[in-house]
Amino acid sequence: GDSVTQMEGPVTLSEEAFLTINCTYTATGYPSLFWYVQYPGEGLQLLLKATKADDKGSNKGFEATYRKETTSFHLEKGSVQVSDSAVYFCAVMNYGGSQGNLIFGKGTKLSVKP
Amino acid sequence: DVKVTQSSRYLVKRTGEKVFLECVQDMDHENMFWYRQDPGLGLRLIYFSYDVKMKEKGDIPEGYSVSREKKERFSLILESASTNQTSMYLCASSFGTGVMGETQYFGPGTRLLVL
Repeated sequence: GDSVTQMEGPVTLSEEAFLTINCTYTATGYPSLFWYVQYPGEGLQLLLKATKADDKGSNKGFEATYRKETTSFHLEKGSVQVSDSAVYFCAVMNYGGSQGNLIFGKGTKLSVKP
Repeated sequence: DVKVTQSSRYLVKRTGEKVFLECVQDMDHENMFWYRQDPGLGLRLIYFSYDVKMKEKGDIPEGYSVSREKKERFSLILESASTNQTSMYLCASSFGTGVMGETQYFGPGTRLLVL
């Protein structure tokens, strides 16, 4: 079945460092891809998404490009801030059933130090 | 803004108790979901619903049931709570089908401790 693999954390960076969180997926067809973020004590919220190959999703300085040839959707940010400290989840939309359901990776915890 | 609310942020229950977790969304979304979140396991889908009175099993439905009597409300029921159901429970909703139905909106979560 469909699955998502993302790099294990925790990831600790200094403020203004470059961030990459790797995500690869296994899915049939052309699924939509997502990054969700969970700030401490909160639920998940959508960070960005891409719905077709070569699309780039972006939001709050974060970017990810849908690479079908490598089945990847890596999250990047050029200069992280302390406020970016959170858990990041990569997800793929699975249309195996009658409706689509999200398949999540296990999450990557990011800590940014001042 | 879409708002998904969950009845409790923290709950402590005893083994064998019947537990109700309530979720309400205010955006007239058709789809609602219940997940549990555990360290190292990410989010796992318990049950979902695409319409009132309709429910479908997710990946880990054992020990849980759900109820959707009204469009805005989706309840998760632990018939007889056990310690291995100690977890964070997240409710989510989404609109319709196709691309518009892909983005899910999450509540703040309920952290359940079963003693």
